[in-house]
Amino acid sequence: GAVVSQHPSRVICKSGTSVKIECRSLDFQATTMFWYRQFPKQSLMLMATSNEGSKATYEQGVEKDKFLINHASLTLSTLTVTSAHPEDSSFYICSASNPSSSHNEQFFGPGTRLTVL
Amino acid sequence: GDSVTQMEGPVTLSEEAFLTINCTYTATGYPSLFWYVQYPGEGLQLLLKATKADDKGSNKGFEATYRKETTSFHLEKGSVQVSDSAVYFCALVYNQGGKLIFGQGTELSVKP
Repeated sequence: GAVVSQHPSRVICKSGTSVKIECRSLDFQATTMFWYRQFPKQSLMLMATSNEGSKATYEQGVEKDKFLINHASLTLSTLTVTSAHPEDSSFYICSASNPSSSHNEQFFGPGTRLTVL
Repeated sequence: GDSVTQMEGPVTLSEEAFLTINCTYTATGYPSLFWYVQYPGEGLQLLLKATKADDKGSNKGFEATYRKETTSFHLEKGSVQVSDSAVYFCALVYNQGGKLIFGQGTELSVKP
């Protein structure tokens, strides 16, 4: 149990377009989901914390108008990169907190590789 | 603030060698500690965890002990395999269900 999926796994887009990434908890209800960004050979940088039915909490330095997060249901959160530019190219990873597991353990999705041309 | 520091990589070992990846943390309270593993092109998988001082987490031959006196959570494995090649992240959660704070990651490469 406790599987988190992401879609798409890879996306290539032109500069100026918007890209939506979905994060789903497949077999549990996640009240909280997290979005991370990872640059090559670097650690994960938390971008925002998303709670179902409320506005996301963004980390300092993350543009909320650039990275739109929606957590409309207990199993789905979406990250939309608006007006993408080449510097937005990165590996985006989501995680979901399972309130039924010990210590609200987080389960990670497989990641989405975004390339902006 | 809370933070996690890992030993620099990459770490290159021969198959069946002993592995240690150091991890130390600073925290104002009593966090839970985790080791995650990331295989190339994939997301993170939980490898093991410990939720209080002196707990030992173990999985797939890996183990780590939560040492409050030295604020450490070093990862060890007695005999590594080529399939263990990956990036390993140490992390803490200070508030249960809250934000994970990651170390910078340590790349492990195991040669046959």
